[in-house]
Formats: sequence, C-alpha cells, structure tokens
Amino acid sequence: DAKTTQPPSMDCAEGRAANLPCNHSTISGNEYVYWYRQIHSQGPQYIIHGLKNNETNEMASLIITEDRKSSTLILPHATLRDTAVYYCIVAPPDYKLSFGAGTTVTVRA
Amino acid sequence: SAVISQKPSRDICQRGTSLTIQCQVDSQVTMMFWYRQQPGQSLTLIATANQGSEATYESGFVIDKFPISRPNLTFSTLTVSNMSPEDSSIYLCSVPSDRVYEQYFGPGTRLTVT
Repeated sequence: DAKTTQPPSMDCAEGRAANLPCNHSTISGNEYVYWYRQIHSQGPQYIIHGLKNNETNEMASLIITEDRKSSTLILPHATLRDTAVYYCIVAPPDYKLSFGAGTTVTVRA
Repeated sequence: SAVISQKPSRDICQRGTSLTIQCQVDSQVTMMFWYRQQPGQSLTLIATANQGSEATYESGFVIDKFPISRPNLTFSTLTVSNMSPEDSSIYLCSVPSDRVYEQYFGPGTRLTVT
C-alpha cells in the first residue's frame, strides 16, 4: 500500500537544478515528508525532511504544497555524484521508514 | 553522526544453511533496525531490535527465520536461517540519530544463496 508516488526515473544535466516530484495525497496530519537517497552499493542517506514549511539545508531544498499532498525535492546544482535512487517517504516521527520504489536519477555530464 | 559497520560485506551460501550478519555501531543506541533489499527492489523493514527486549518483527517476517540478538547498545546480529535462493538480498542495519527524523544506515551485507 504505497503512500507515495514518484516517477521511476529522470535525467538531469550536471550543474543544473534537479527537481524531483512526489505525490502523497493521503498524508496524515502527523506525518512528515522525508527524503533519502541510495547511491549504488551503499546504504540509504538522509537528505531532508519537512512537515508543512519549505526546508533547505546544505544538500537540498524541500518544497511542500500548502495542502501537503505533494512535494518537490530540489538539488540546486546537480553533480555526477548525485546519481542515485531518491526515496520520498511519508511517515510519523517514530523511526519506521517505509521505502517505495523511488526515482532513479541519472546526472549526465 | 554514527558510523556503522557490517560483517560480512558479502557471502555466497548453500541453500539450507544459516548465516549470521553482524552490525556494529560506534556509539550507544537504544534502537537498531534491520532491512532487506531484494535484487532490484526497495528496502523492507524486517524488525526493530531494542537492547534488553525481544525484537519486534514486521508483517511477513518471523523470528524462526530471522532470529535477532541485541546483547548490548552497540551491537546486533541478524541470522538468516535455512536459506533458500529467495533469501538472496542485501541486508542492512540502521540506527536513529538524536534527531528522530534521521537514520544512519550500514553499508549492507550482500547475500547470495545458491
């Protein structure tokens, strides 16, 4: 029972911004939006999270719509090292992460 | 951040045998999690291991197949018992950070069952 919907893949040019969409129309009031990524042959890595407001950190920005039914992860200047599978996860803050299929992002030179 | 190591990094095992995977963390943590990632698939939570109590298993996973030990606050083991080729997966452990929204993952153990 997937809580999020993401495109299976997307390409991005090196140096350009990568905008990764995620739909979560059944999100509950106490659920956060988390983004993780998994570079090939490594464990997942936390990127960012948010509840209602837009968030920014050193890795990315997270834009959440006002109705919280969708969000966009923005990698401002994609590099080849950003090639990975990106997971959008909706969950309460209880440590249990349910990973969907994610979006395979390929950054091309 | 926590540094997590897993042993072995990979193994090839015969069907019917068992393999114990170790997860070591460089700091004390109350909760540890075990995930499975089947080939080409996403991660699935197997169980939560708390020190001093029985592990809590997710739907579809049972203790007889995946026994877990948690002898102290920095270490846990996951055993894959009576293996079949369907158990071929990457097994990962993770721990939460001080901030509840972030988890640190180990590098994974790649298991192939022949």
